[in-house]
Amino acid sequence: DGGITQSPKYLFRKEGQNVTLSCEQNLNHDAMYWYRQDPGQGLRLIYYSQIVNDFQKGDIAEGYSVSREKKESFPLTVTSAQKNPTAFYLCASWALHGYTFGSGTRLTVV
Amino acid sequence: QKEVEQNSGPLSVPEGAIASLNCTYSDRGSQSFFWYRQYSGKSPELIMSIYSNGDKEDGRFTAQLNKASQYVSLLIRDSQPSDSATYLCAVNRGDRGSTLGRLYFGRGTQLTVWP
Repeated sequence: DGGITQSPKYLFRKEGQNVTLSCEQNLNHDAMYWYRQDPGQGLRLIYYSQIVNDFQKGDIAEGYSVSREKKESFPLTVTSAQKNPTAFYLCASWALHGYTFGSGTRLTVV
Repeated sequence: QKEVEQNSGPLSVPEGAIASLNCTYSDRGSQSFFWYRQYSGKSPELIMSIYSNGDKEDGRFTAQLNKASQYVSLLIRDSQPSDSATYLCAVNRGDRGSTLGRLYFGRGTQLTVWP
């Protein structure tokens, strides 16, 4: 079945540690997105990529980095510069009628 | 001014009633409009898209768009307890089928349907 796979489902980060969230799609979509969701905040865009080897900052890119070396893959790294990373992270790709989302990664700082 | 605003809720309706969810947007150039449903702890799933003024019906769901008023709504008829979720309104400046740009989301309206 075609879709978006995010891993891990739960991730715990220690202070000062970088962590990478995986996002893989087999839908052959060009455009991919990373959003962060906090309670009561809605979805806020971190980074997006419309084509391989190109990506754009979203509204809250500070403390995050991405790469897009393959069409299928769009990993997100949460760096130690992100001071409040506890949130639900959603990866999406653009289908003909709106986004298709992955199942999300819940990141917690311990 | 926020790009997309939704009635904050929470909204509570009895089973069988009509639930009405509202959304306004600030960019007059917006072309594509979407409603997503998100169950607690899960990712959003697309339930409706609308691109032209007027109504679009899909089963128990009806989306309504008024570009002049910059207003989009979602009606859920014969509401069921399984409809209890947060509903997200999203807007795109691109035309139908455009893969450019990104979606702007409202904060969502939490709907509870009680038996």
